[in-house]
Formats: sequence, structure tokens, C-alpha cells
Amino acid sequence: DAGVIQSPRHEVTEMGQEVTLRCKPISGHDYLFWYRQTMMRGLELLIYFNNNVPIDDSGMPEDRFSAKMPNASFSTLKIQPSEPRDSAVYFCASSPGIAGVDEQYFGPGTRLTVT
Amino acid sequence: AQKVTQAQTEISVVEKEDVTLDCVYETRDTTYYLFWYKQPPSGELVFLIRRNSFDEQNEISGRYSWNFQKSTSSFNFTITASQVVDSAVYFCALSEVNTDKLIFGTGTRLQVFP
Repeated sequence: DAGVIQSPRHEVTEMGQEVTLRCKPISGHDYLFWYRQTMMRGLELLIYFNNNVPIDDSGMPEDRFSAKMPNASFSTLKIQPSEPRDSAVYFCASSPGIAGVDEQYFGPGTRLTVT
Repeated sequence: AQKVTQAQTEISVVEKEDVTLDCVYETRDTTYYLFWYKQPPSGELVFLIRRNSFDEQNEISGRYSWNFQKSTSSFNFTITASQVVDSAVYFCALSEVNTDKLIFGTGTRLQVFP
């Protein structure tokens, strides 16, 4: 299996622009997670899906952030409008079973820089 | 509330030394899971191990070993005969059976010098 795939790997954008991050989970995994990693706050869970349905989005920082999972093989995280404080590495992860029990497999991350 | 503490921010050792990374957790649940992940310089997080709260047996995998002690709420990770390739940030994480979330510690950066 190819593992979790994320694109783009790097994104540089100007403040105010819309940013869309993409994720393809491992086939057959029922759970998908979006995380953000910064030096100041460490790894933060933003949102997660079970069978394409958003379960908990309490970690989404503001209304500027939105996430979708239109099918089992694709998810997006959108930031509109982007701000410099959104600069971080964004990880997508998927899990084969019960999310709190089974291990999560992480993608390589998208490094976002907002100038 | 759940909490994971990795008090060691950074550790430096010379190759072939043994090193232990500490992890202390807090939870009110009796059923929970503990994890260790490795984040090498390339950036991706790699799953290392998962233990459930009912299994306190220590685990060994090659040069890696884990010591789970419920009495002290600790799940420590030891690398024996460290190698330069072990240089990475290591994260300990906790999940409770009634939630789907992993709570990560702040990580310990391990640098192994030749």
C-alpha cells in the first residue's frame, strides 16, 4: 500500500488567499484525522471523520477552517482566508478501526507558509 | 482529563549509549491505550507501539523496549545501543476507550552523535 498521501507537500501563499490541502487515506481505513503541528502548540487534532462523516471538529481553530470528506478515498482541509498564524505543518492520518484503539498512520504532511 | 507529559525536551547521547525517554500520563479511565510515535527529520510520524491498560508486560522489539507501569502512570521507552538513525523526535500518546482521540505529549528530541 502507498500509505497516506498528502498534497501539496509545500505551500507558500499570501495572507488572504484560500488554501486547500488534500489527503488520500489508506484504502479500507474507516477513520481520517487532520492534525496541525507547530513549535508553540505541538500536535493538535483539528477534526476527524468516521466513514466520511465528521465526528468531532472541536479542534478547528476558527470558521476560516473547513474540512470535507466527499468519499472514502479523499479529504480536503480548506483555509479561507489564510493568515500568517496558520503557518504550520498539517498532517492527515488514517486508522483502520476504532480510532482510540488502533494506531494511526500519518501522511508526510503539508508544510504551509502564509506570508 | 487526559494529559501526557514528556518532561525531557531534548536528549543528546553518543552512539552505542542506552537512552530512556520518559512518558507520564493522566487519565480517569480504567481502559485506555498508550502509543509511541517517531518523527524523523523527514517529518512524517511513524507508529512504534501500542499498549492497552490491561497489559503491563514489558515489550521488546530489537533495540527498542517499553516499560509500562500503571502504579506510576508511566510508559517509558528505552533504546539500547543507540544509533545515529535513531535521531528523531519521539512522541508518547494516550487515548481513552470512550473517545476516539489521541492526546500527544510535547515530544522528546533525541540526538545521537557518532
